Amino acid sequence: GAGVSQSPRYKVAKRGQDVALRCDPISGHVSLFWYQQALGQGPEFLTYFQNEAQLDKSGLPSDRFFAERPEGSVSTLKIQRTQQEDSAVYLCASGGRAYGYTFGSGTRLTVV
Amino acid sequence: AQSVTQLDSQVPVFEEAPVELRCNYSSSVSVYLFWYVQYPNQGLQLLLKYLSGSTLVKGINGFEAEFNKSQTSFHLRKPSVHISDTAEYFCAVSATNNDMRFGAGTRLTVKP
Repeated sequence: GAGVSQSPRYKVAKRGQDVALRCDPISGHVSLFWYQQALGQGPEFLTYFQNEAQLDKSGLPSDRFFAERPEGSVSTLKIQRTQQEDSAVYLCASGGRAYGYTFGSGTRLTVV
Repeated sequence: AQSVTQLDSQVPVFEEAPVELRCNYSSSVSVYLFWYVQYPNQGLQLLLKYLSGSTLVKGINGFEAEFNKSQTSFHLRKPSVHISDTAEYFCAVSATNNDMRFGAGTRLTVKP
């Protein structure tokens, strides 16, 4: 596609519910990143994929967070047993260092 | 690991005045540097990037930035701002391991 597409755009989850956030990167982009952006903060790195390989997951805040990219294109970020502190905008980006990364519009997750 | 410090959380300026948004980074290896802009409820848009070569980089919307290796800085400048430049600006650094880390952001508010 022409850009990075994320869905849903907004998600309200009850505390304890599991959620799945989808990222559809630009076709052909090898690298894919997930970031978490809390209100009024900069994006915080969560995890990085190169094709289907998850090369860095050091930013995932707990074992409730899980990301996958099984075929090297679409990626899903799953959060189990959501907590209020998980409320944030989750940003996906694809691309590479040499030409900059393209970001999606994000998924705003609100845990109530 | 690399890190980024944006020295000003908020910068208010009047329309048509010049502006400088400050960014310092730390890294033990050579880096690529980026500035992104985020308008309300939108994703991040790349303003400009430094990869190598000329230390003065020109980007979109009349913005430019200068890479200073000795001072480990990458400050963003615009000679004359418009109301439409009101947004959040993020400096980011990417080291050779192909990830990207962001600063906390600077909120630029342009007043009439």
